[in-house]
Amino acid sequence: QKEVEQNSGPLSVPEGAIASLNCTYSDRGSQSFFWYRQYSGKSPELIMSIYSNGDKEDGRFTAQLNKASQYVSLLIRDSQPSDSATYLCALGDYGNNRLAFGKGNQVVVIP
Amino acid sequence: GAVVSQHPSWVICKSGTSVKIECRSLDFQATTMFWYRQFPKQSLMLMATSNEGSKATYEQGVEKDKFLINHASLTLSTLTVTSAHPEDSSFYICSARPIPGEETQYFGPGTRLLVL
Repeated sequence: QKEVEQNSGPLSVPEGAIASLNCTYSDRGSQSFFWYRQYSGKSPELIMSIYSNGDKEDGRFTAQLNKASQYVSLLIRDSQPSDSATYLCALGDYGNNRLAFGKGNQVVVIP
Repeated sequence: GAVVSQHPSWVICKSGTSVKIECRSLDFQATTMFWYRQFPKQSLMLMATSNEGSKATYEQGVEKDKFLINHASLTLSTLTVTSAHPEDSSFYICSARPIPGEETQYFGPGTRLLVL
């Protein structure tokens, strides 16, 4: 089983600020990485996928991948109260035909 | 695109009854679907991988005779919780993978089960 670590506790950010979430993983051979957002009581929703080193931007979201250091991060610019949710990091576990999920990071955007 | 539906969205049943949950991929075909369970304030837990036309693959500790999975077509997988008990009360979420060989999964809205 691939290990995916999201160690930070709940993150509180003021509205308009940048929220930064980090995720580290154990398998250096991992090739595909995903960020999901899960609102309380709802199912996960795909925000971003990233496969190559560097940054990938989609609206206010930027995913950053560094395979050498085995981490993937998510930046949320101009945070809004509607961004308050749990963010799940996942990576493709081809060998086991599944996604390996981290435990998630809760983000609270304070108006 | 990549929309996954689940039905019902919530269900209340008596202990000992069976409950069937449907998962449909609406605008794509999915040879592989996944069933997860999530208890309040806990992480997603993969229960089983559902493969079209073949038997499901269950995770360790998940009883295959209690959680029956059928994936009869490329757009439909069903999970039947047999002889449900209060401890089976949970949020059941399915996901589907549109593209074989790629790991992207799209989740259904989930089914909340309450067993009395």
